[in-house]
Amino acid sequence: NAGVTQTPKFQVLKTGQSMTLQCAQDMNHEYMSWYRQDPGMGLRLIHYSVGAGITDQGEVPNGYNVSRSTTEDFPLRLLSAAPSQTSVYFCATRTSGGRTDTQYFGPGTRLTVL
Amino acid sequence: GDSVTQMEGPVTLSEEAFLTINCTYTATGYPSLFWYVQYPGEGLQLLLKATKADDKGSNKGFEATYRKETTSFHLEKGSVQVSDSAVYFCALSTSSNTGKLIFGQGTTLQVKP
Repeated sequence: NAGVTQTPKFQVLKTGQSMTLQCAQDMNHEYMSWYRQDPGMGLRLIHYSVGAGITDQGEVPNGYNVSRSTTEDFPLRLLSAAPSQTSVYFCATRTSGGRTDTQYFGPGTRLTVL
Repeated sequence: GDSVTQMEGPVTLSEEAFLTINCTYTATGYPSLFWYVQYPGEGLQLLLKATKADDKGSNKGFEATYRKETTSFHLEKGSVQVSDSAVYFCALSTSSNTGKLIFGQGTTLQVKP
């Protein structure tokens, strides 16, 4: 089992460019989410999905789009990158939305927007 | 709203010292509490968890007890090693927020030989 995989590991964009961060999991988990990590702020939830075809906004959704067409994949799209989106992005999965479930994280994508 | 507050770091200790990282929370309902650890250049991984009051989570020599009366979940280890150097995150999840994790800001631990 690969667990949760993310690509790319590193990316540099210019302001206004678009890109998609990929996230895939092979654990058959229903619940997937995207977080961003910024110094001194912990991790903040961007978007999440409770199953294929269902997505919802988290704490900081502006500037990001998501879709969930399969159980395995949950891409995060930046439509027009801004320097404020420079961050480390983590994808995570859990079995369901239950409060006791462990969340499993990918290795992260470090994004720099110039 | 729900929130988690951790002690500010960085925390610098000598090998074999006793470790405490404080964590307090505010939540509606009955949260589950978690400690995640992030080693340099890696993603987060679960260290331990407790799902109800008075539960004690433990793993790799680390312990934390869910204290409802003080709304706390402090992380402790009796004797730290250099390999414990990492960033530690306290987090909570409640059934009222669709199981979303709310994180504290993280505490950096550096252990010197």
